[in-house]
Amino acid sequence: EAAVTQSPRNKVAVTGGKVTLSCNQTNNHNNMYWYRQDTGHGLRLIHYSYGAGSTEKGDIPDGYKASRPSQENFSLILELATPSQTSVYFCASGETVQDTQYFGPGTRLLVL
Amino acid sequence: GDSVTQTEGPVTVSESESLIINCTYSATSIAYPNLFWYVRYPGEGLQLLLKVITAGQKGSSRGFEATYNKETTSFHLQKASVQESDSAVYYCALGDNSGTYQRFGTGTKLQVVP
Repeated sequence: EAAVTQSPRNKVAVTGGKVTLSCNQTNNHNNMYWYRQDTGHGLRLIHYSYGAGSTEKGDIPDGYKASRPSQENFSLILELATPSQTSVYFCASGETVQDTQYFGPGTRLLVL
Repeated sequence: GDSVTQTEGPVTVSESESLIINCTYSATSIAYPNLFWYVRYPGEGLQLLLKVITAGQKGSSRGFEATYNKETTSFHLQKASVQESDSAVYYCALGDNSGTYQRFGTGTKLQVVP
């Protein structure tokens, strides 16, 4: 059974709409991460969390919010989606910065 | 800050040929960070391919190898004979305990053709 799951797997949104991407992990890891992956840019960190109640900005946080209500769940929120946020989003968990990260299968988001 | 540079893709290799994907790193706050290769197969999330935490050591998995070279700050990924099933995107990454998160390279897309 997958240890990191994401929902939805595919999403079509309209410009200006609100989008919430959800991530659940059963690894009991403290750290969780949200990345986006775009051709030519590789993997870029949006937000991360050290544990329930904590969220921190990554390299490209503008236009995104994050929420970590529990050890298991970490959400990424696009309050006003824009076409530039069309991408593939990955969630990951890890025990520490030095440890292996475990990734979800990704969410493909298209903003029209 | 920390950074990782790797071979730009896409890289196309014929089946049974050898492969090398270059990776060099810069870790400004610690001499010996942990080094990783992750792989993303089509339609899937990234998964660990191999990890090395000690300078001078070699990691191996699925026929791939990478040696942690602290003199040249490199961690190149090699395979002697690739297969079509190796077609994927490969990411080199660095993690050190004084940083806040792992640093990833931009990824190298590998296409293995018959």
